[in-house]
Amino acid sequence: DAGVTQSPTHLIKTRGQQVTLRCSPKSGHDTVSWYQQALGQGPQFIFQYYEEEERQRGNFPDRFSGHQFPNYSSELNVNALLLGDSALYLCASSLNIGRTDQETQYFGPGTRLLVL
Amino acid sequence: AQTVTQSQPEMSVQEAETVTLSCTYDTSESDYYLFWYKQPPSRQMILVIRQEAYKQQNATENRFSVNFQKAAKSFSLKISDSQLGDAAMYFCAYRSGQGAQKLVFGQGTRLTINP
Repeated sequence: DAGVTQSPTHLIKTRGQQVTLRCSPKSGHDTVSWYQQALGQGPQFIFQYYEEEERQRGNFPDRFSGHQFPNYSSELNVNALLLGDSALYLCASSLNIGRTDQETQYFGPGTRLLVL
Repeated sequence: AQTVTQSQPEMSVQEAETVTLSCTYDTSESDYYLFWYKQPPSRQMILVIRQEAYKQQNATENRFSVNFQKAAKSFSLKISDSQLGDAAMYFCAYRSGQGAQKLVFGQGTRLTINP
């Protein structure tokens, strides 16, 4: 049973550039959430995608955007990178079956982004 | 807005001993879920245990158990018979029972196991 996978594992960019991170959910899952984890901090919710639509968004600027594909995989795009965007970006997947107690999120290994 | 606080940045325990990690949260909701996640150096966040707020019985998963005090808004994790593989960052997280599934995390507690 394939778990959540993310690519790439590491990435180095310079200020002002754009980056795309990718996530494939756990087999059978249809919902993908993205989190940003700064060094030494807990993860912060960016947004969640379900049925190819953004369902909920955290307190992140419009530079952060996403997409979900028909096969439930997802991309996180960040434009005009800032030094402060350096972080571990985590993807989590879950299955939306209408019962909240079944909707546990399972995380991928993350993508480490360094902005120079 | 909900908040989660972990007041212990670091904890250490001798192998085979028991350790308790603290977590408090703030919410006005009555329907919610609480989680403990473990993040080893490999970075992957692993679910340790979950608790539904409507359940009075504390959740247990093998060596891991919680002390859920709803009135006090406290959710501590007890690890019994600590093993070297338990060394990791531990995060407490909250999720509302209504709407989407956003997790709100605490700052984490780094657990060291001394052989």
